[in-house]
Amino acid sequence: RKEVEQDPGPFNVPEGATVAFNCTYSNSASQSFFWYRQDCRKEPKLLMSVYSSGNEDGRFTAQLNRASQYISLLIRDSKLSDSATYLCVVSGSSNTGKLIFGQGTTLQVKP
Amino acid sequence: EPEVTQTPSHQVTQMGQEVILRCVPISNHLYFYWYRQILGQKVEFLVSFYNNEISEKSEIFDDQFSVERPDGSNFTLKIRSTKLEDSAMYFCASSGLNRITDTQYFGPGTRLTVL
Repeated sequence: RKEVEQDPGPFNVPEGATVAFNCTYSNSASQSFFWYRQDCRKEPKLLMSVYSSGNEDGRFTAQLNRASQYISLLIRDSKLSDSATYLCVVSGSSNTGKLIFGQGTTLQVKP
Repeated sequence: EPEVTQTPSHQVTQMGQEVILRCVPISNHLYFYWYRQILGQKVEFLVSFYNNEISEKSEIFDDQFSVERPDGSNFTLKIRSTKLEDSAMYFCASSGLNRITDTQYFGPGTRLTVL
């Protein structure tokens, strides 16, 4: 089983749509959870951290279910500029800060 | 806003040659990392570094790789004898006081092409 698993997509949606991405992770000892965004051939950039209580940042909502080892990201009112690859990222259990990345889910928002 | 910088942006080398990839982490950060991303694949952890020593390394980080913080600002990744399969984007990252919860900020990457 992959350490962090995501549906690679692509997800093609019209502007204004709501889209949801899911991710599962295999190590129950993982401590921190993040969504990063990566534009083509660029570095990953933090979109948001994910907390057990769920958290929202503008049009973005992230949820974590530790029992199911499942993380989600919801994007409302999609913009053309949201087109990117969304990386589900989990910190390792080794306490060294190591991040484990999923393959990424590609989103293409069309006019 | 402070940022992680990396040089060069693109390095082309012949198989068997040594390369040094350079990074300047954010100035007050304490934890430093190297990751790599082969084209079309996921980002993979290589090594973490704290207090002038390696705190964890992956299976990829074999004897041909080494890291160094030669002064107060630079953090380098050396590949001693490059192989074709080392061709990838190499990202440096740094984080602040809490390595578990603090955000890791990534540099723009060095694209390494081994011929």
